[in-house]
Amino acid sequence: AQSVTQLDSHVSVSEGTPVLLRCNYSSSYSPSLFWYVQHPNKGLQLLLKYTSAATLVKGINGFEAEFKKSETSFHLTKPSAHMSDAAEYFCVVSEGFGSARQLTFGSGTQLTVLP
Amino acid sequence: NAGVTQTPKFQVLKTGQSMTLQCAQDMNHEYMSWYRQDPGMGLRLIHYSVGAGITDQGEVPNGYNVSRSTTEDFPLRLLSAAPSQTSVYFCASSYSMFSASGNTIYFGEGSWLTVV
Repeated sequence: AQSVTQLDSHVSVSEGTPVLLRCNYSSSYSPSLFWYVQHPNKGLQLLLKYTSAATLVKGINGFEAEFKKSETSFHLTKPSAHMSDAAEYFCVVSEGFGSARQLTFGSGTQLTVLP
Repeated sequence: NAGVTQTPKFQVLKTGQSMTLQCAQDMNHEYMSWYRQDPGMGLRLIHYSVGAGITDQGEVPNGYNVSRSTTEDFPLRLLSAAPSQTSVYFCASSYSMFSASGNTIYFGEGSWLTVV
């Protein structure tokens, strides 16, 4: 069975400083991993995805994540936070094939960006 | 190309009432699903469909029905609303379930439902 743990429910950074949102996963197979962002009262937007190609994945808005199989981690980073990055972020794991393929969501990390 | 469209955006129901949340996508996606989002719990899968005429239960299906008569539409029905169904509901779609390559899943903007 797959599971996702987002290690911080809230992260607060100052504008212009680095962002680190942590995600650990467990999976029986080679998973696909995603980060989604949700702005207030909006749907979920895909930031980036890992699908067994390069372990360092670059996404939109300057975000990137590194897949580390030995650590079962998929942490999201950004070198310099912007006010518009304030949102909730979800780490998602997907495994299985065909009709058995399912997504499992982490519980979310709320990112606050201070001026 | 509108993507995934959900209606209504906000709804207040009385306990015992029934209602349908509508979901439509215009991307010719095979896979559609419904999730509910509750504080501190991420998104949990209610029902999903891998094509017209095919539906299956997810993690939390009780109290909900779905049908998939067309590729485009995937309505979610609350049969007899309960306060425990107060939540934010998201419809999602992707091109295919039958791929291990991590097809991108597209989400609607959500439906805020309150049951009083």
